[in-house]
Amino acid sequence: DAGVIQSPRHEVTEMGQEVTLRCKPISGHDYLFWYRQTMMRGLELLIYFNNNVPIDDSGMPEDRFSAKMPNASFSTLKIQPSEPRDSAVYFCASGSGTDTQYFGPGTRLTVL
Amino acid sequence: QQQVKQSPQSLIVQKGGISIINCAYENTAFDYFPWYQQFPGKGPALLIAIRPDVSEKKEGRFTISFNKSAKQFSLHIMDSQPGDSATYFCAASSQNSGYALNFGKGTSLLVTP
Repeated sequence: DAGVIQSPRHEVTEMGQEVTLRCKPISGHDYLFWYRQTMMRGLELLIYFNNNVPIDDSGMPEDRFSAKMPNASFSTLKIQPSEPRDSAVYFCASGSGTDTQYFGPGTRLTVL
Repeated sequence: QQQVKQSPQSLIVQKGGISIINCAYENTAFDYFPWYQQFPGKGPALLIAIRPDVSEKKEGRFTISFNKSAKQFSLHIMDSQPGDSATYFCAASSQNSGYALNFGKGTSLLVTP
């Protein structure tokens, strides 16, 4: 298996623009997680899905952030409008209902 | 608020030495305690994990020690090697939250030759 796939790997955008991050989980996994990593806050959970349904989005920082999982093999995290404080590395991870999560390589987002 | 506290923030160890990283938690609902290793530019990768029904788990040079009553757990890296230089994160999760991970702030380990 190719592992968790994320795109793009790097994104540079200007404040106010819409940003869409994409994730393809490992086939057969029924849990999908979005995390954000910053120097100040470390790794923090944003939202997770089970069987394509959002279960806990309490970590989503504000209404500018939204996430969808239209099918078992694809998820998006959208920021609209983006702000400089959104600059971070965003990770997607998937798991099979057990405890182990497998992380993707991350998307490094820079908002100017 | 940080549900898992990790120390030290950084650690320098000589090759062949023992690296020790400590974590503490408050939520007694946590039932799974993994350690992740992260190299620059990569995503975190599971290193070793423990459940609270055992006090120690060993895999090769990596050992987790778990103290349920103190709500503390630690990672020991024996015979540390330069290739172990990375950032290490402890985490805690529970089945009733889908095993969503609550991470510590991370420890940057440097193993010198």
